[in-house]
Amino acid sequence: ILNVEQSPQSLHVQEGDSTNFTCSFPSSNFYALHWYRWETAKSPEALFVMTLNGDEKKKGRISATLNTKEGYSYLYIKGSQPEDSATYLCAFKDYGGSQGNLIFGKGTKLSVKP
Amino acid sequence: EAQVTQNPRYLITVTGKKLTVTCSQNMNHEYMSWYRQDPGLGLRQIYYSMNVEVTDKGDVPEGYKVSRKEKRNFPLILESPSPNQTSLYFCASSLSALTGVTYEQYFGPGTRLTVT
Repeated sequence: ILNVEQSPQSLHVQEGDSTNFTCSFPSSNFYALHWYRWETAKSPEALFVMTLNGDEKKKGRISATLNTKEGYSYLYIKGSQPEDSATYLCAFKDYGGSQGNLIFGKGTKLSVKP
Repeated sequence: EAQVTQNPRYLITVTGKKLTVTCSQNMNHEYMSWYRQDPGLGLRQIYYSMNVEVTDKGDVPEGYKVSRKEKRNFPLILESPSPNQTSLYFCASSLSALTGVTYEQYFGPGTRLTVT
């Protein structure tokens, strides 16, 4: 089974801080990288799907970058707000493996204090 | 409203009693998938389906069955549940490229299953 690592496991920041976390994945046979936001007692919601090396995507104060050659993606949150508190998941799809097999990391749990 | 629905949302059952968790989507998505979420282990894929009548194992398929007779439905069947299948289960759907999952997934609300 392919390994997808997320760091840190958890993060506590103050409102207004900018923060970032990492998703590491195998650098060979890359196909796609997903980011999801998962609030407590809700379902995961998609943030980004990234497929090209060098991709940068942005949604409001959240952005993500992708480096497929070295096998990592960063998620950035600018000016964190309490409503950004959630677990952020990344998921990796390799090329050539089972068509629909998506491997999730264990997530980074972000807590934003007012 | 575009959505993925799961039923039941909560279920407590006993070892060995067959059960089915239903999943339905109204977005005409080809791809559907089942995950289980356990503390410290993250989301792990059980089974997925690229389209009607096409299903395949994920990373943790033991003890589960699925079927995809219609595009909108993807039920998860536990023929003989055991306590180690106590978990939070999510169904998800998305459009799909022929070569793999490159579109965002939409998740259902989750089913919390307890097997005693």
